[in-house]
This record gives sequence, structure tokens and C-alpha cells, in this order.
Amino acid sequence: ELKVEQNPLFLSMQEGKNYTIYCNYSTTSDRLYWYRQDPGKSLESLFVLLSNGAVKQEGRLMASLDTKARLSTLHITAAVHDLSATYFCAVALFGETSGSRLTFGEGTQLTVNP
Amino acid sequence: DTGVSQDPRHKITKRGQNVTFRCDPISEHNRLYWYRQTLGQGPEFLTYFQNEAQLEKSRLLSDRFSAERPKGSFSTLEIQRTEQGDSAMYLCASSFVVENTEAFFGQGTRLTVV
Repeated sequence: ELKVEQNPLFLSMQEGKNYTIYCNYSTTSDRLYWYRQDPGKSLESLFVLLSNGAVKQEGRLMASLDTKARLSTLHITAAVHDLSATYFCAVALFGETSGSRLTFGEGTQLTVNP
Repeated sequence: DTGVSQDPRHKITKRGQNVTFRCDPISEHNRLYWYRQTLGQGPEFLTYFQNEAQLEKSRLLSDRFSAERPKGSFSTLEIQRTEQGDSAMYLCASSFVVENTEAFFGQGTRLTVV
């Protein structure tokens, strides 16, 4: 059974600081997604990482994937209050009867303080 | 087409009542997924359709739950004899039938069982 673990689960940081969220998964997969979720809202897709060594950046967020280590990171640079949200990583396993079902981590609740 | 649409957005029901949710996927998306998200957790896979065929059901989907996608377009998720433990956000996602394609999530239906 695929397991996806994120850490930390809770992160409180000051504006302007840098930090990294880690996502480990237990089964070989070369597709990993990062989502953002605001309270009471649905999931907003941030990054799709499709291959080993993939790195994608959007604004103050940068995601990377190491399939050999089964590890993805989401790096936050110079955090601002608007980044406060819960961030999920999700691993896709493709199967004939399961499509591309996603297994999600528990989420990292990020709070950026002024 | 503006994306995956779910209805209703919120539902409050008394324990023991039946509820039905609807999901309209993005046009021409063959794959449709239902996920459930409880407070403080990541979404968990419930079931998957490819066109009108329900190809996989999670063990989370008890006998009280049933999902349909009668013409391969919209889908419904029904919960019979609701219990307080059914309170959650129910998310629908859809995608093309291509291995590396991304799934897009709807806004979700938040169910509260009182």
C-alpha cells in the first residue's frame, strides 16, 4: 500500500524567511503533485512533477522531485502572508482499473506571520 | 466549460437521512474520481469511473455509499442512512484518459450530519 508522508505537519514562519516542506512516499512513482488548499476551499494545483530531477518554480515556491529517494520538496522563499494555506503533496499510481488515482499526504498547514 | 462543477456546495442533514451529490466533470474528460476529505486530513480516494464504468471502489466506500455515472458524463454519489462520521468534504475530480494527464478538482460538497 502506498504511503505518503509530509513533514512538518504544522509550520509557522515569519515573513521574509525561507523554509522547505518534505514529502516522502513509499512506492515507485514518477508523478507527484503539489496542491494548495485554503480553509473551506477545494484544491488548487501548484505543480506537476513528472520525472526524476524535475524542478518547477512559480513565484516564491519551488518544487523538486527525486524519484530514487522517493522524495519531493516544496521550498518557500521569502514567505509572505498570502502563502498561508495547507499544502498537500500527492502521488499518482497508474493502474488499468484505478486510472491515475492520487494518494495524498496529511498536509502541511503553513502560517506566515507578519 | 469552466471546470469541474459540484452541487450542492453545502449540505446539512439529519442522521439517518439519505443525501445525493452531483458532479459535472470537464467536458470530454473520460475519467472521474470521488475523494473524501475529513477535517485536518488529506483527501482519500473513494471511487473511479472511466466513462460509465465504475472500475474501482475503495474499502472506505461502505454499502451505504453508491456512485453512478450513467451516461459517462455527470456522476452522482449517494449516501444512505447518513451517520455523523460521514461529515466531510466530498471532492470530485476529472481527467482525460492519458497516463500523465492531470486531474482537476471541483469545489467540493461539504456535508454536515447532525
